[in-house]
Amino acid sequence: QSALTQPASVSGSPGQSITISCTGTSSDIGGYNYVSWYQQHPGKAPKLMIYEVSNRPSGVSNRFSGSKSGNTASLTISGLQAEDEADYYCSSYTSSSTRYVFGAGTEVTVL
Amino acid sequence: EVRLVESGGGLVQPGGSLRLSCAASGFTFSSVSMNWIRQAPGKGLEWVSYITPSSSTYYAESVKGRFTISRDNAKNSLNLQMNSLEAEDTAVYYCAKEGPSADSDHWGQGTLVTVSS
Repeated sequence: QSALTQPASVSGSPGQSITISCTGTSSDIGGYNYVSWYQQHPGKAPKLMIYEVSNRPSGVSNRFSGSKSGNTASLTISGLQAEDEADYYCSSYTSSSTRYVFGAGTEVTVL
Repeated sequence: EVRLVESGGGLVQPGGSLRLSCAASGFTFSSVSMNWIRQAPGKGLEWVSYITPSSSTYYAESVKGRFTISRDNAKNSLNLQMNSLEAEDTAVYYCAKEGPSADSDHWGQGTLVTVSS
């Protein structure tokens, strides 16, 4: 059982916006601004899309945005494109001895 | 360009051992913390272990006491010694460079570890 809770799947039509939620506790998401999001296409390594809740690494499209409220973080993909179809994972720093926790992942389908 | 190349994966029997390595290039390896993260077939990501530049270490509860992370800053190399392997350790193991904000900003291509008799 993953420490962070994500929906198993989210879908949308091209051009629409979708939001993926990621719920944790005050020991991880709620306690730190160290939430990151990763995109993973089948058979590929994950790619960092968002760090520190809402920052985009160089080269990541501004269609991807992140936010946080309390113990829940969110990733929004606007102007959905076929290439956005992938699995998305949230991660957070945690005060426990394990240091990091991941969500179980959300499969994004572009209809 | 940052490059991370894992090696050492393969088929091992339950109870056996395996040593993974990750060759790093394109950045100042000795100044950066590193992670091992794994992904069981068809499953999600699971953080395994973390090491600071000065070799302070952290482990997931599921591998504590069985796995040992280490680094050789002179050789730009990250290692993961895995002992007492279990079927549940079967996964693709990724080496990942720690970014400035408790994230993994670059990942290797992964190496598959299969624990089976």
